[in-house]
Amino acid sequence: DTAVSQTPKYLVTQMGNDKSIKCEQNLGHDTMYWYKQDSKKFLKIMFSYNNKELIINETVPNRFSPKSPDKAHLNLHINSLELGDSAVYFCASSQLDTANTGELFFGEGSRLTVL
Amino acid sequence: GESVGLHLPTLSVQEGDNSIINCAYSNSASDYFIWYKQESGKGPQFIIDIRSNMDKRQGQRVTVLLNKTVKHLSLQIAATQPGDSAVYFCAENISWRSQGNLIFGKGTKLSVKP
Repeated sequence: DTAVSQTPKYLVTQMGNDKSIKCEQNLGHDTMYWYKQDSKKFLKIMFSYNNKELIINETVPNRFSPKSPDKAHLNLHINSLELGDSAVYFCASSQLDTANTGELFFGEGSRLTVL
Repeated sequence: GESVGLHLPTLSVQEGDNSIINCAYSNSASDYFIWYKQESGKGPQFIIDIRSNMDKRQGQRVTVLLNKTVKHLSLQIAATQPGDSAVYFCAENISWRSQGNLIFGKGTKLSVKP
């Protein structure tokens, strides 16, 4: 069973459209994240949610809105897509406690292409 | 801007040789470091981590070395195998308790020649 699963894996859309990427983790973790990886493979955190509450919100345009209906899900909605939004978006999860090794479990990524 | 960088963007090694991937970080307050491996078309996968109160940690075929004096981190892979071919990232965090807010380096692509 996939620990962190995100859909869709590929998404091609036109500028100006609105799209969503869904993420689910079955690890029982209390914290979930969205990372963006650009064409040069650079990974940068966008958002972090702990038990459905936003704890990290990096400098991201407000066109990006994360939503966490429960601690096992963190969806990413993007409004008015721009060419620069083209990237691979990774969902991840972890458990923040003293026993944690610090490991982030990443999904397989969702490649977004904006035309 | 990013505070973590890599000396070598690409590294090509012969199968069976040892590999060393280097990383420099600039935030002296960082106290937790992780190495991730990303295979083509997949998400990053945790390899090994180290806290700032250590200078060396070993795993299975991998060793991470931390030199806080020069703010340098390295990943050593023993007896490199074709399956080790991937992009390797170092990442740092100021506190391991907030390990999700990782600052990633730019990645080194490791190619293993048979």
